Amino acid sequence: QLQLQESGPGLVKPSETLSLTCIVSGGAISSSSYYWGWIRQTPGKGLEWIGSINYSGNTYYNPSLKSRVTMSVDTSKNHFSLILNSVTAADTAVYYCARDSTPLADNHYFDYWGQGTLVSVSS
Amino acid sequence: DIQMTQSPSAMSASVGDRVTITCRASQGISNYLAWFQQKPGKVPKRLIYAASSLESGVPSRFSGSGSGTEFTLTISSLQPEDFATYYCLQHNTYPRTFGQGTTVEIK
Repeated sequence: QLQLQESGPGLVKPSETLSLTCIVSGGAISSSSYYWGWIRQTPGKGLEWIGSINYSGNTYYNPSLKSRVTMSVDTSKNHFSLILNSVTAADTAVYYCARDSTPLADNHYFDYWGQGTLVSVSS
Repeated sequence: DIQMTQSPSAMSASVGDRVTITCRASQGISNYLAWFQQKPGKVPKRLIYAASSLESGVPSRFSGSGSGTEFTLTISSLQPEDFATYYCLQHNTYPRTFGQGTTVEIK
C-alpha cells in the first residue's frame, strides 16, 4: 500500500522560505509511470495544485506560483521536496503531497495523498 | 490554462435525494477528470477517475459521466455520510486545475 507523509516546519516567518518534504513508502518514486505533486488548501478555501515532479526531476509548476516554487526529488531516499520562497500570510495553508501520473498509468492520477501538514506564515 | 467551473457552489439536500454536481472545462479534456470528496479536516478522497470509473470501495450510489468539456457527478440516493465538499480535477494538461468545490449540506 503506497503511503505519503509530509514533513516540515509548521511555522514560517513572512518573507522567508517554506520547505517541505514528502516521504513515499510502499512504492518506488523512481517509476517512470508517475509524477509526484504538491497541492495546498488555504483555510476554508478550495484546492490549489502547486506543481508536480517526476523521478528525473522534470517539473511542472502552477504559473501563479512559478516564480517562487522549486521542487526536487531524491530517488535514493524515496522522497520529493517543495520550496516556496518569499512567503506571505496568503501562503498559510494545509499542504498535501500526492501521486500524480502519466498516460503510462492512466488510472492513478491523484489516487494517493499524504495526510497534509498545516503551514502557518506569521511573525 | 484550463479553467474548471463547478456548479453549484453549495446546495442543501435531504437524505435519499438524488444529487447532481457539474463541472465544465474551458476546453476539451477528453475524459481526464477525477472527482474527490472532502470532509472537514480530512484528506480529499478520490471517488471517480477517468470521468466515469468508480474507485474501488466507493459505494455504487456515486457515478460520474461526461467527456470533453462537461462532466457530472451524481449521487443517486444521498446518505448521511455523503455530506461533504466535492471537487473535480482535470489532469489532461498542466497546470492541473481543480473546480472551486461544491458543498453538500443537510436540508
